[in-house]
Amino acid sequence: DAGITQSPRHKVTETGTPVTLRCHQTENHRYMYWYRQDPGHGLRLIHYSYGVKDTDKGEVSDGYSVSRSKTEDFLLTLESATSSQTSVYFCAISEADGNTIYFGEGSWLTVV
Amino acid sequence: AQSVTQLDSQVPVFEEAPVELRCNYSSSVSVYLFWYVQYPNQGLQLLLKYLSGSTLVKGINGFEAEFNKSQTSFHLRKPSVHISDTAEYFCAVTATDSWGKFQFGAGTQVVVTP
Repeated sequence: DAGITQSPRHKVTETGTPVTLRCHQTENHRYMYWYRQDPGHGLRLIHYSYGVKDTDKGEVSDGYSVSRSKTEDFLLTLESATSSQTSVYFCAISEADGNTIYFGEGSWLTVV
Repeated sequence: AQSVTQLDSQVPVFEEAPVELRCNYSSSVSVYLFWYVQYPNQGLQLLLKYLSGSTLVKGINGFEAEFNKSQTSFHLRKPSVHISDTAEYFCAVTATDSWGKFQFGAGTQVVVTP
């Protein structure tokens, strides 16, 4: 158990509504990441954080924003959900360069 | 930028037989390489990683992988699989100056049958 909690684990929402996914860690790790997983694409990086209030974009950041006001929490927000954002979202954490990266259990999001 | 290609989308294998999962990568800079396993409805678990040193890397559950720089490959092997090895396996690469920003392959589904 890597000390990562994602919430909610499952959510169904309507197109156009805002959605926030939360990643909470108990490891005090510096780095946190949000990935999405889609069939045939593996996992793709959405956003990442290298410290409190320090975030940057990944390869599929359009339509997503993030915030990190505390070391332990990394929030992913879909400002206006679209059907193309139906996916499984994984949070990951890492202490430092070279250290093992741990993944959370995933959040299943369906946009109808 | 880096990219990863997993050459097989699905690999059927009989129990106690060997298995090899193929992974090729491309990058203009030095990279670190990883294999992750994902069981149904779970997150990813690290099997092994290559950071530097010996090109033969041993991981958990009897898996090993060999880094071949000239062929830009990082193939995963296990000499004898169990039913419990049925899962999806992902190869991933990150540049040495961008830790954690992985490029993942599309995944290889391993199905082990008795």
